[in-house]
Amino acid sequence: EAGVTQFPSHSVIEKGQTVTLRCDPISGHDNLYWYRRVMGKEIKFLLHFVKESKQDESGMPNNRFLAERTGGTYSTLKVQPAELEDSGVYFCASSQDRHEQYFGPGTRLTVT
Amino acid sequence: GNSVTQMEGPVTLSEEAFLTINCTYTATGYPSLFWYVQYPGEGLQLLLKATKADDKGSNKGFGATYRKETTSFHLEKGSVQVSDSAVYFCALSRPYNTDKLIFGTGTRLQVFP
Repeated sequence: EAGVTQFPSHSVIEKGQTVTLRCDPISGHDNLYWYRRVMGKEIKFLLHFVKESKQDESGMPNNRFLAERTGGTYSTLKVQPAELEDSGVYFCASSQDRHEQYFGPGTRLTVT
Repeated sequence: GNSVTQMEGPVTLSEEAFLTINCTYTATGYPSLFWYVQYPGEGLQLLLKATKADDKGSNKGFGATYRKETTSFHLEKGSVQVSDSAVYFCALSRPYNTDKLIFGTGTRLQVFP
């Protein structure tokens, strides 16, 4: 069974540009989460999808971040326009039973 | 609010030494507690978990006991190996209230032969 995959693994963009991160959850997992770790600090929750619906988006930092999950399968997280403080590692996780979340390898975003 | 505090790293040990990484939490209600591990170049993996007071989670020789009286979930291993070198994250969640995991800052463990 394939795990959670994320693309790209690393992205370097300039301030003001747009970047789109993609997450493919484990097949059949209805729950999909986005987290990020900024500058070696704690990993922070961004949002939670159940199928295609946003269950909890309380962690989204501002309206420059837009997450979608079309058809309840893969998800994208778009940052537009990117700022320096958006640099970090973005993790995606999925779960079926709402107790154990399986994480992807992360996307390292560097904004210069 | 809910939070997790874990010891600063890095923790540097020789192979076969005893490991303790401290983790304490603040939470309302009855959270579930987790330890995740991130090996170099890989994603987060669930190492162990405990869902109620006095439960002990264990895996790969690691163990942690859910102590409600001290609000702690310290990670221990009796004899570490070089392959245990990684970053360890303590986390909590409150299932059926909100699923989100709340993480500590992570502790880097370096084991030398």
